[in-house]
Amino acid sequence: DAGVIQSPRHEVTEMGQEVTLRCKPISGHNSLFWYRQTMMRGLELLIYFNNNVPIDDSGMPEDRFSAKMPNASFSTLKIQPSEPRDSAVYFCASSFAATNEKLFFGSGTQLSVL
Amino acid sequence: GENVEQHPSTLSVQEGDSAVIKCTYSDSASNYFPWYKQELGKGPQLIIDIRSNVGEKKDQRIAVTLNKTAKHFSLHITETQPEDSAVYFCAASIPAGKSTFGDGTTLTVKP
Repeated sequence: DAGVIQSPRHEVTEMGQEVTLRCKPISGHNSLFWYRQTMMRGLELLIYFNNNVPIDDSGMPEDRFSAKMPNASFSTLKIQPSEPRDSAVYFCASSFAATNEKLFFGSGTQLSVL
Repeated sequence: GENVEQHPSTLSVQEGDSAVIKCTYSDSASNYFPWYKQELGKGPQLIIDIRSNVGEKKDQRIAVTLNKTAKHFSLHITETQPEDSAVYFCAASIPAGKSTFGDGTTLTVKP
């Protein structure tokens, strides 16, 4: 298994631009999580899905952030418009929904908003 | 909600020594406690976990202990090696719910 696949690995954009991060979970996993990692705030859970349905989006910082999971093998996290304070590493993770334990993380997307 | 505190934030040991990282949690409903290792440029990777019905678990040089009454759990690494150098995160999870992570410990093992 290739593990959780995220793209792009690096994204540099200008303030005000739309950014879309992509994630392919491990086949068979039916829970998907989006985390943001910064030096100041550590690992923050933004949103998670069970069976493609958003369960908890209380971590989404504001309306500029949105996430979708149109099917079991794909999810996107969109920031529109982006701001410099959104600069961080964004991780996607997947697991089995029954327990939501044993998270498997992707390699992350390093986002820089100039 | 759940609050997880992790100490120390940085830890430096000599190769061959032991390293101990401690975490406390607040939600008594939490029943699953994983530890993740994050190497530079990579995502966190699960290295060991423990459930609330177990007090201790060991896997080669790594062990985790849990004191449910005191709501704290610890990671123990024995005979440390330079490749153990990384950031370690503890987490606490409620049944079929989300995991809350500690702030991480940067472990440096000096050869």
